[in-house]
Amino acid sequence: DTEVTQTPKHLVMGMTNKKSLKCEQHMGHRAMYWYKQKAKKPPELMFVYSYEKLSINESVPSRFSPECPNSSLLNLHLHALQPEDSALYLCASSHLGGVLYEQYFGPGTRLTVT
Amino acid sequence: DQQVKQNSPSLSVQEGRISILNCDYTNSMFDYFLWYKKYPAEGPTFLISISSIKDKNEDGRFTVFLNKSAKHLSLHIVPSQPGDSAVYFCAANSGNTPLVFGKGTRLSVIA
Repeated sequence: DTEVTQTPKHLVMGMTNKKSLKCEQHMGHRAMYWYKQKAKKPPELMFVYSYEKLSINESVPSRFSPECPNSSLLNLHLHALQPEDSALYLCASSHLGGVLYEQYFGPGTRLTVT
Repeated sequence: DQQVKQNSPSLSVQEGRISILNCDYTNSMFDYFLWYKKYPAEGPTFLISISSIKDKNEDGRFTVFLNKSAKHLSLHIVPSQPGDSAVYFCAANSGNTPLVFGKGTRLSVIA
């Protein structure tokens, strides 16, 4: 199983809403990532979790709050977002260490903030 | 400062011919390089990788070449197929540092 799943596929939310994005993998990967991707741009790293602990936060605004409840799950809690936060949010996972560093990406959640 | 550069935003190739996608990098600490393929509205799919101890890695129709002295890598697809039409991202990292992505090259394979 080399699949990373993400729910929901699409999400429309108002600026006062609270919502969560979910990501799951069962490959035994101990590193999980959140990326944001705007149209015609490369993925931008937001957060990295290593062994369920937040190891990298790329100066992401606090209206995005990640959570890693266990080694298979990664959530991204959203609150008071802005229209410019509309983007494709990608989750990825990988092994840690060594030269095998392929990240496996989920299909993404297309978020629209109105 | 862009550490990974894909200077061609787009490339058109005829079906059956070779597609060559190029990538340059500036950080000499990078020791692992990857190519991802991305269809619209989907997440990137890992395609092929190469470590800095090699200069070539081949997987079916896909071959990645690495020229460390020139800090350049390329992805060759031969023969190109219409289903290869996608955006291709080059990425690099060293050790356990996060991947650094290029801006992508949109490949169109024309039947």
